[in-house]
Amino acid sequence: ETGVTQTPRHLVMGMTNKKSLKCEQHLGHNAMYWYKQSAKKPLELMFVYNFKEQTENNSVPSRFSPECPNSSHLFLHLHTLQPEDSALYLCASSRGHRVSSGANVLTFGAGSRLTVL
Amino acid sequence: GDSVTQMEGPVTLSEEAFLTINCTYTATGYPSLFWYVQYPGEGLQLLLKATKADDKGSNKGFEATYRKETTSFHLEKGSVQVSDSAVYFCALFGEDKIIFGKGTRLHILP
Repeated sequence: ETGVTQTPRHLVMGMTNKKSLKCEQHLGHNAMYWYKQSAKKPLELMFVYNFKEQTENNSVPSRFSPECPNSSHLFLHLHTLQPEDSALYLCASSRGHRVSSGANVLTFGAGSRLTVL
Repeated sequence: GDSVTQMEGPVTLSEEAFLTINCTYTATGYPSLFWYVQYPGEGLQLLLKATKADDKGSNKGFEATYRKETTSFHLEKGSVQVSDSAVYFCALFGEDKIIFGKGTRLHILP
């Protein structure tokens, strides 16, 4: 079992659908992240949560809505997406967020491949 | 601001060739430096790390040395295998930022 588990691994949705991506970490970490990885683009940080509080929102459109009910779980709620939102969505966790330390390593999940029709 | 620059890919090598993927950085303070690898269909996995100047990170035959004087953290492997085909990301962890490079795709031919 990997430390960070993402479900579903693959999701196809229409532009009017509402769906959610789920991330769960079993590492005792306090910070969780959503990244977007599109073809031929750099990794984009979307949201950061530290101790369940959102600490970063990198100008992400409101059709993406994160939720962090506790330090182990992170959701990304999806609503009225566009075809250009098709990408691999990666969840990650770390011990803390504002720590410059070799101990503060990001651990990634395998990702959720989203296709918007 | 902090930044990471890594060589453009794709890089194509024959099996058993020597590999270098260049990574340079700009940062205030004393960041930690990392290499992550992403195999097809998977998320990013930590490959190696270095937390201070002159540290050498190593794993699975890969090595990288934290060079403060040249602000570099180049990834090297003496003899690559087909199974090393993947995308490699250099990353910097600063005081309040985690910065990834754009990634370098590596193809190893049998």
